[in-house]
Parts: sequence; structure tokens; C-alpha cells
Amino acid sequence: DVKVTQSSRYLVKRTGEKVFLECVQDMDHENMFWYRQDPGLGLRLIYFSYDVKMKEKGDIPEGYSVSREKKERFSLILESASTNQTSMYLCASTRTNRTPYEQYFGPGTRLTVT
Amino acid sequence: GEDVEQSLFLSVREGDSSVINCTYTDSSSTYLYWYKQEPGAGLQLLTYIFSNMDMKQDQRLTVLLNKKDKHLSLRIADTQTGDSAIYFCAENPGANNLFFGTGTRLTVIP
Repeated sequence: DVKVTQSSRYLVKRTGEKVFLECVQDMDHENMFWYRQDPGLGLRLIYFSYDVKMKEKGDIPEGYSVSREKKERFSLILESASTNQTSMYLCASTRTNRTPYEQYFGPGTRLTVT
Repeated sequence: GEDVEQSLFLSVREGDSSVINCTYTDSSSTYLYWYKQEPGAGLQLLTYIFSNMDMKQDQRLTVLLNKKDKHLSLRIADTQTGDSAIYFCAENPGANNLFFGTGTRLTVIP
């Protein structure tokens, strides 16, 4: 059974704190993604990675950074959390050039910044 | 840029049919997708349609594609309470990436 896990389901942080969100997949997928999900806005891509140590900006990278030191793990970092980063964060992974193209999602981390 | 739009809410009575609509902008997608997000969970691929097809049926699900109008719909027959979820359409314009719609929250009334 394929699996994408995220380190926390719920997280509460204070403004200005550094926040780490971890994602691990056990499917040997090349590509990994971080999205944020907000009501009425759907999913918006923050960053993605197509290989170890490689990263690409998505649609809303401002205020975020990422790290991919191992193939199975993709971390999202909020250098200095702000209240407008309160959201649901979803991690996903997929194999390269496989069609139809299916992304496998983790359960999400609901982050609240106070 | 890509823009995938859906209505935000839909309510139906148990046993009725649900129709969720989506419009998209990029005509180069080889496939178009429907994902389902159940409460407290991530998204899961529900079904997809190849862009050369007009219709695909899979048990209670029917996907209709109108390429000329760039309109995609998902029909769920005999809607059950377990179908209550958020449904996202998505397009895949050639890259290793998906562009998701805003999501439609389907509420099934017993």
C-alpha cells in the first residue's frame, strides 16, 4: 500500500517562529510537492522537487523554503511564521513521466500561527 | 497561465444524482482528473479521462468532457452519504505537475 506521511496532523506556532513540516514517501517517487489548501482557493503549489537536492518554485513560494536531502523526504520550512501562513499544508509525490499522472497525497498538516 | 474553476458548494439528497462542473483553460492536457478529499484526509485520485474521449463511465461515476468549451463534469449516480467530500478537477498540461481547481464541497443530505 503506497504511503505518504506527514510529521504532524495539527501544529500551533507563534508569529516569528521557524517551522518545519516533514513529508516522507515510501514509493521511491522522484517528484515531491508541497501545496497549501485554503477555502475558496483550492490547492496552490508552493514548491516542488524532481530529484534529490533539486527544487523549483511553485505559484506561491514567498515566505517558504524547502529541503530535499534524501529521495524519500521533502521538508517545507517557514523561516519566520506569520498569521497569513495559517493553512492546511499537503504533501504529494509522484513518479516521473507516468501517465495518467497520479499524485499521492499525505493526510495534511493543519498549521495555525497565532 | 492555468485557471481551473469550479463552484464551491453543492447539496443533494441521498439517492439523487450529483453533477459537479469544472472549466479549465489549458487545452494541451492529455488527461483531465477528478480527485476526492474526504474529511480530515489528503486527496485521492477518483477517476480521469483521456482528452480524446467525450465520456467515461466507471460504476456510479460518469465523466463528461467538452473540449470545445473546455468543460469537464463529474456525475455521481445514486449519491450516498459517503460521497460527501470535496471534489477537485485537475489538468496536467504536459509537465510533471497538476493544476487543481478550487474544489466543490458536496454535501449529501440523508
